[in-house]
Amino acid sequence: KAGVTQTPRYLIKTRGQQVTLSCSPISGHRSVSWYQQTPGQGLQFLFEYFSETQRNKGNFPGRFSGRQFSNSRSEMNVSTLELGDSALYLCASRNGPSSNQPQHFGDGTRLSIL
Amino acid sequence: AQSVTQPDIHITVSEGASLELRCNYSYGATPYLFWYVQSPGQGLQLLLKYFSGDTLVQGIKGFEAEFKRSQSSFNLRKPSVHWSDAAEYFCAVSLEYGNKLVFGAGTILRVKS
Repeated sequence: KAGVTQTPRYLIKTRGQQVTLSCSPISGHRSVSWYQQTPGQGLQFLFEYFSETQRNKGNFPGRFSGRQFSNSRSEMNVSTLELGDSALYLCASRNGPSSNQPQHFGDGTRLSIL
Repeated sequence: AQSVTQPDIHITVSEGASLELRCNYSYGATPYLFWYVQSPGQGLQLLLKYFSGDTLVQGIKGFEAEFKRSQSSFNLRKPSVHWSDAAEYFCAVSLEYGNKLVFGAGTILRVKS
């Protein structure tokens, strides 16, 4: 079956703009998590959604937000973009919220801020 | 503080040689343990996971990892490395009651012919 799909793959924005990234989980997966990957900070957890509810949130400013739809697709939004938001944003899905279920990752969205 | 340490930023091995990538974690309890691999421009692929039971776990692509509670370690091994194994490898943990993955900084593997 199809894996986790993230769109778009690449995005270029300027400071102050906002952006929305999309993630379609593996069919049947109801939990979606988002991670930010940068050379300096590595992989950091943003948030996780299950059944349209945010279950867990990482240590990021309120400019970073997300949501999940009834079909389990998820979006994350970043407002008032800063240069430091340039990163690879990865989405991961799994069957449910239990930690013993492995997360499956998409190929990410590469966001560049000019 | 809870953390995951991968002491080696870069490792170079010859094709056909054995490989061991180190991972140590600092948690109060035994977490769930994972190894992921990332090729350039791609996402993370799960190699293997440990939840409980047998401390030696087998994964895909000929990889295995051994959980050692006394050393808080979960080292990844492969007996014979192939050029296609060149990538970045991440150790990750999650707590039983939490949902997020906490990643190590990663180890970049270079394979020389």
